[in-house]
Amino acid sequence: EAQVTQNPRYLITVTGKKLTVTCSQNMNHEYMSWYRQDPGLGLRQIYYSMNVEVTDKGDVPEGYKVSRKEKRNFPLILESPSPNQTSLYFCASRLGQRGDQPQHFGDGTRLSIL
Amino acid sequence: AQKVTQAQTEISVVEKEDVTLDCVYETRDTTYYLFWYKQPPSGELVFLIRRNSFDEQNEISGRYSWNFQKSTSSFNFTITASQVVDSAVYFCALSGRSKGSASKIIFGSGTRLSIRP
Repeated sequence: EAQVTQNPRYLITVTGKKLTVTCSQNMNHEYMSWYRQDPGLGLRQIYYSMNVEVTDKGDVPEGYKVSRKEKRNFPLILESPSPNQTSLYFCASRLGQRGDQPQHFGDGTRLSIL
Repeated sequence: AQKVTQAQTEISVVEKEDVTLDCVYETRDTTYYLFWYKQPPSGELVFLIRRNSFDEQNEISGRYSWNFQKSTSSFNFTITASQVVDSAVYFCALSGRSKGSASKIIFGSGTRLSIRP
């Protein structure tokens, strides 16, 4: 089954404790992206990757890191999480670099930073 | 800069009523793409439709229809004879064709639709 898989689905942690949210897709998609969803703000793009070893900032990249060493994986790293990063996070992928292609989303990761 | 505005934060209607969700966008691109996604209470995001800027033909899919008007920069979504299963948050999104705007997808803030039995 074609899917985008995120882990963990839920995480409660404390300020400053490094964490990684994994994202993996099995569709051989070139493009992957991370979003955070906050009430009243919709989805905001954190980082995206056009292909392996090619990543760039979205609209809200501060406090986050990403890497794209393999085509299928695009982990989101919070080196020193803070309470303002408490949010619902989505990973997404699409076939290629064209803007007309819809994205496939993971089921989301709910992070609570205390 | 690209922008998507969904001015309706929440809408509540009684089942079987028709309801229209508004989406207004801003972009400098001459070619661009508009999307609607649905987020049901279970939380996942589901793609509904894509519209190209050069195709202003309206689209109907069962009870769903989409009205794209370039002159008013709007891409509105209408549900006819709404059902409880339509209750969800709906997002409108914009993407461009150029290298920069194709990679940055802009979402509206979403409209929460509640259908009462």
